[in-house]
Amino acid sequence: SQELEQSPQSLIVQEGKNLTINCTSSKTLYGLYWYKQKYGEGLIFLMMLQKGGEEKSHEKITAKLDEKKQQSSLHITASQPSHAGIYLCGADVGYGGSQGNLIFGKGTKLSVKP
Amino acid sequence: DAGITQSPRHKVTETGTPVTLRCHQTENHRYMYWYRQDPGHGLRLIHYSYGVKDTDKGEVSDGYSVSRSKTEDFLLTLESATSSQTSVYFCAISEPGYEGYTFGSGTRLTVV
Repeated sequence: SQELEQSPQSLIVQEGKNLTINCTSSKTLYGLYWYKQKYGEGLIFLMMLQKGGEEKSHEKITAKLDEKKQQSSLHITASQPSHAGIYLCGADVGYGGSQGNLIFGKGTKLSVKP
Repeated sequence: DAGITQSPRHKVTETGTPVTLRCHQTENHRYMYWYRQDPGHGLRLIHYSYGVKDTDKGEVSDGYSVSRSKTEDFLLTLESATSSQTSVYFCAISEPGYEGYTFGSGTRLTVV
C-alpha cells in the first residue's frame, strides 16, 4: 500500500524566516494535495499538484511536485504567525471504481514565533 | 466551510451505546467520505460513498457502518461504541472536475 512520509514532524521558526516541508511517497503520485489544519478545526485546502515538475503558488506559499512524482515540497516565504498550524499532504489512491480517496501523511506542526 | 456541516460537533457517550454522526452537504457532490484523525496515525479513511446507496469500506471500517439515502447526507454509525473509537471524525466531499476535497469542521467523539 502507498504511504506518505512528511518531514519534519514539527518546526519552530522565527517570524519572517523561510521554511520548507517535505512529503515523500512510496509510490508514484497521481494527485498530491496540501492542506492546512488549525487545532480543533477542519482541513483547509491549499493546493493540488498532478504533473511532474508542476509548481503552484498562493500568496507566500509555493508547492512543487518533483519530475518523478514521488516527492513534493511546500515552501513558505517570510513566515507569519498566521501560517502556524499543521500541514498535511494527501495523495489520491483508487478504491474500486471510485474517483479516488485520499491517504495522508502524519502532518508537520508549524509554530511561528513573533 | 459553508458547503459541508457535521453534527454534532462534540459528543460524549458511554461504551456500548450506539452513536450516529451526520454529514450534510449543500454542494451536490457525488463523493462523500468519513475519516478519523488520531495522534500518531493521522487521518484514516473509514468509509466512503460514490452515490446514493453506494458505499464501500476504507482502511479502518471495523465497528462502523454508513448510510446514504440522499445525495446531501452521509451518516456514520458506531453500532456499539468502544473507547478505541474516541477520536475526531471528519467528513469530506469531492466531485470530478472540482479541485480538492472539502472537509467539514469535525466531530470530537469521546467514548467513556
